[in-house]
Amino acid sequence: DAKTTQPPSMDCAEGRAANLPCNHSTISGNEYVYWYRQIHSQGPQYIIHGLKNNETNEMASLIITEDRKSSTLILPHATLRDTAVYYCIVRVVGTYKYIFGTGTRLKVLA
Amino acid sequence: GAVVSQHPSRVICKSGTSVKIECRSLDFQATTMFWYRQFPKQSLMLMATSNEGSKATYEQGVEKDKFLINHASLTLSTLTVTSAHPEDSSFYICSASGQASNTEAFFGQGTRLTVV
Repeated sequence: DAKTTQPPSMDCAEGRAANLPCNHSTISGNEYVYWYRQIHSQGPQYIIHGLKNNETNEMASLIITEDRKSSTLILPHATLRDTAVYYCIVRVVGTYKYIFGTGTRLKVLA
Repeated sequence: GAVVSQHPSRVICKSGTSVKIECRSLDFQATTMFWYRQFPKQSLMLMATSNEGSKATYEQGVEKDKFLINHASLTLSTLTVTSAHPEDSSFYICSASGQASNTEAFFGQGTRLTVV
């Protein structure tokens, strides 16, 4: 079973920050949180991952709560091309086997 | 970043025939690859784990005789859908990762299979 819970859909105005929440209350101490996105009819694209500390790269920021039970992906300035389904995944330790949840369908509005 | 390539991107086949889908890691060695299936408007469902040089591990409910997986080298895994039926029509996606412990898996672009 998927170990994450996300809202099914969100809208965001172009140019504004998109904040996508994820609940992973049963995460273990050595499990990573990964974020991917999938644009229609393509394979998932890696965005960012983290263990405990907040992370930032050229695409996004990842904020993980201190108890690690939830996280938020932040796209600082959303564009129309960021419209996609965003998946938050907890990686099973020792494997790259990903169990996908239902994801959040983000629509960026002009 | 690392690249995983799938071929073909689209295939149409007749009922009863078999179709082979290839997944290649282009610039790294992947001892393990994964195969997923995705139906319209649904999430990705893990089908099996492909292990180089050994038998694949299938998820519960996935028929191993219908979905044959071969991982003959560190850069190539193949999925063969045998005796395909219209209900096998789906989007098939593979993923692969390098051997470091704290890296991400990379996904192929997917293969759209339509069985007519």
